[in-house]
Amino acid sequence: KNQVEQSPQSLIILEGKNCTLQCNYTVSPFSNLRWYKQDTGRGPVSLTIMTFSENTKSNGRYTATLDADTKQSSLHITASQLSDSASYICVVSATLQAGLFFGTGTRLTVIP
Amino acid sequence: GAVVSQHPSRVICKSGTSVKIECRSLDFQATTMFWYRQFPKQSLMLMATSNEGSKATYEQGVEKDKFLINHASLTLSTLTVTSAHPEDSSFYICSAIPEGGSGELFFGEGSRLTVL
Repeated sequence: KNQVEQSPQSLIILEGKNCTLQCNYTVSPFSNLRWYKQDTGRGPVSLTIMTFSENTKSNGRYTATLDADTKQSSLHITASQLSDSASYICVVSATLQAGLFFGTGTRLTVIP
Repeated sequence: GAVVSQHPSRVICKSGTSVKIECRSLDFQATTMFWYRQFPKQSLMLMATSNEGSKATYEQGVEKDKFLINHASLTLSTLTVTSAHPEDSSFYICSAIPEGGSGELFFGEGSRLTVL
């Protein structure tokens, strides 16, 4: 069964601290994995998209890693800012059947 | 980057009426668009896949007669919530994948539906 699981479900950190969000998936055959940031009441915005051959991809203070062997991905946020408070969603795409599978998201709250 | 526009961004309607939400890809063509529903503090739930020129593919548990999807052109998909009830109140979001692109998925800004 194709599934995407994210952890933790929610996270509270102090401004300036780093954090890492996890995404484990069982989607097969794998095509790509995307991380999105969704502010409350807004549509998701793409942070990174990674294919099978990519291990790491950065976008400013956001760094995503992918281990296709263990089917795990992480999103590391460096020097967090208050504006990082949002939900972070992991989406895995399968080839052939062109399916998209969504994680339930991690809700991050950055406090001063 | 590619832009997906939704309209209206907010709509309030009376119970029993129908509401149409539009999803447009402004600077690219999209054979496939997706519609999601999101309840407060929950993640996106895929409702249906909208295919240009053909019938939409609905996820299990989503009533196709309740949520009518039309994808008449490569840049426009519409979601009509028919005979809306208060439990249909939610945040509806669409997304699209540009034709011939890298597979990047672009989301609209969402439409907040409140049914009184």
